[in-house]
Amino acid sequence: GAGVSQSPRYKVAKRGQDVALRCDPISGHVSLFWYQQALGQGPEFLTYFQNEAQLDKSGLPSDRFFAERPEGSVSTLKIQRTQQEDSAVYLCASSLNTGRGYTFGSGTRLTVV
Amino acid sequence: DQQVKQNSPSLSVQEGRISILNCDYTNSMFDYFLWYKKYPAEGPTFLISISSIKDKNEDGRFTVFLNKSAKHLSLHIVPSQPGDSAVYFCAAKTGANNLFFGTGTRLTVIP
Repeated sequence: GAGVSQSPRYKVAKRGQDVALRCDPISGHVSLFWYQQALGQGPEFLTYFQNEAQLDKSGLPSDRFFAERPEGSVSTLKIQRTQQEDSAVYLCASSLNTGRGYTFGSGTRLTVV
Repeated sequence: DQQVKQNSPSLSVQEGRISILNCDYTNSMFDYFLWYKKYPAEGPTFLISISSIKDKNEDGRFTVFLNKSAKHLSLHIVPSQPGDSAVYFCAAKTGANNLFFGTGTRLTVIP
């Protein structure tokens, strides 16, 4: 597609439930990033892939968060045993290289109740 | 520890006037700076960027100024238009890959 596509757009999860968020980057984009944006805050880095390799996961807040990109295109961010503090917009971004600005998707708004 | 700071949460400007959005940073290793614009329910959209070796970059109505000694950058929009109303995020990066974002400034351009 022409842009970065994320699904679902909205997700409501009960506390303790596992969720999986999907990102379809722009075709051919090597770099893929996940960011978390809490209400009233700027996006905060979670993890970075170059093709299928996860080169940086320093931003993942706990071991309940796991991301993968097995074939170097689509990526999934999984959150296990969701907590209320996980409620946020999760943004995916991709780029052809890491030198310039990235193209963001519209995000998945996760609400944990 | 917020490495990129946008101290003005909101700004209102009359249509046709200049909008100036400010951003401060603490990490002297940042070598590339970007501004993103965000509409509700959409992801941030890249607007303009500047390398640390420059002090100004201009693109149409948008100009970014970088003052490295003050660790300060600003985005000027002139003339401002109602369609510019959005949240603007300042972001910075080092040679590494991830961006550090500020908390955003909501710009309202009054017709």
